[in-house]
Amino acid sequence: EIVLTQSPGTLSLSPGVRATLSCRASQRVSSSYLAWYQQKPGQAPRLLIYGASIRATGIPDRFSGSGSGTDFTLTISRLDPEDFAVYYCQQYGSSLYTFGQGTKLEIK
Amino acid sequence: EVQLVQSGAEVKKPGESLKISCKGSGYRFTSYWIGWVRQMPGKGLEWMGIIYPGDSESRYSPSFQGQVTISADKSISTAYLQWSSLKASDTAMYYCARQIDYGASFDIWGQGTMVTVSS
Repeated sequence: EIVLTQSPGTLSLSPGVRATLSCRASQRVSSSYLAWYQQKPGQAPRLLIYGASIRATGIPDRFSGSGSGTDFTLTISRLDPEDFAVYYCQQYGSSLYTFGQGTKLEIK
Repeated sequence: EVQLVQSGAEVKKPGESLKISCKGSGYRFTSYWIGWVRQMPGKGLEWMGIIYPGDSESRYSPSFQGQVTISADKSISTAYLQWSSLKASDTAMYYCARQIDYGASFDIWGQGTMVTVSS
C-alpha cells in the first residue's frame, strides 16, 4: 500500500501570500492518479486538482498542482481568506486508494 | 444538478446493525464508481471501498475488508454501506463520493452521515 506523507502538518500564513503544500509518496505514483482536496469545518471535501495538475471545475486559477513520481505540490498563489482549511492529497494505485494525513492551513 | 444525498445521522448501540445510503441524481448512476470514505472525529480521510453500480463490482480497503459491506441498487440509484455488528470505534462521519472517469479522484461528495455508536 502506498503511503502519502503531507508536510507541513500545519502552515500558518497571512492572506495574500503564497502557500506551498507538499505530498510525498512511499512509492512512485502515476501523475494521472494524484488528486488534492480542500475540506472546511463541517463540510465534505471538495476536489481541487486531479491528474496532479488539472484544476477541477470551478476551481480558481490561484490553485495549481505539480510534481511527478513521489513528490507532488499544491500551490496557492495568493491566499484568500476563504482558502484557510485542511488540504488532503490522494492517490490511486494497484486498486487501492489512499489519502495523506492532511495539512491544516491557518491564518497567521 | 449532479448530487449525492446521504441518509441522516444515526445513533446506535454496540452490536447493532446499520445500513446507510447514498442516492445519486442528475447523472447516469450506473456509469460511475461510488466510493465510501470514513472520517473519525478530528481525524483525516480514510478510503473504505468502492462499488460500480452498473454491475455491483466492489473493492475494499484491506483495513475495512470483512468489517463492512458495500452494495448498490441501480433501480433506485442508491449505494449502501452496512455493518452487521457495530463497535464504538465505528463512530465517525461517513461520506460517499463519485469517482470521475479520469484520474480515480472523487468530484462529487455526499453531505456525510454521522454514525455514533455508544452504549
